[in-house]
Amino acid sequence: DQQVKQNSPSLSVQEGRISILNCDYTNSMFDYFLWYKKYPAEGPTFLISISSIKDKNEDGRFTVFLNKSAKHLSLHIVPSQPGDSAVYFCAARDNYGQNFVFGPGTRLSVLP
Amino acid sequence: ETGVTQSPTHLIKTRGQQVTLRCSSQSGHNTVSWYQQALGQGPQFIFQYYREEENGRGNFPPRFSGLQFPNYSSELNVNALELDDSALYLCASSRNRGPTLAYNSPLHFGNGTRLTVT
Repeated sequence: DQQVKQNSPSLSVQEGRISILNCDYTNSMFDYFLWYKKYPAEGPTFLISISSIKDKNEDGRFTVFLNKSAKHLSLHIVPSQPGDSAVYFCAARDNYGQNFVFGPGTRLSVLP
Repeated sequence: ETGVTQSPTHLIKTRGQQVTLRCSSQSGHNTVSWYQQALGQGPQFIFQYYREEENGRGNFPPRFSGLQFPNYSSELNVNALELDDSALYLCASSRNRGPTLAYNSPLHFGNGTRLTVT
């Protein structure tokens, strides 16, 4: 049973436009969420986080939105750049857990 | 600031053998977590170590074991290797205030060890 879902295996976006990556979760105890980017042959790189007391967090070109009632979060990248092409994972943790639960990832391709 | 380093980068083993993977945590971090990432999937939690003790475990059998040392480095040991153990093994470190994760403490990953079991 997947507790964290990323229903789009892949996404293609034109350079300069907005990329929107989506993530849904089922466990209402999750209260801290992370987004990671992963290039081939490298480990995941932390991008941005959000806690359940917020509905938005922004860091440069990256913004994460959290809709607790819908159990949904999204990552917006604007403007998208070719270097953003990678696999993006969302991860969630509940306040009592020791681990983060990861989604299966979305492969983003930013076309020049 | 030194990041998380893992060794070796690649490893090929035969079914039934044993393997040890190593991880040095990022400076200032006191907690190490291990994850398994199979092809096309997200990382799956194996276990976490805080102050040299196992502090949480995912759905992995006892033949997956680990250690954390006083300098916060860590080892992952897998006995009786099976073909399905072929995966990327990721080590992540974080700074925690206690046995449970600090509230704003993202994981910082190494580049992983690619294990192939034949």
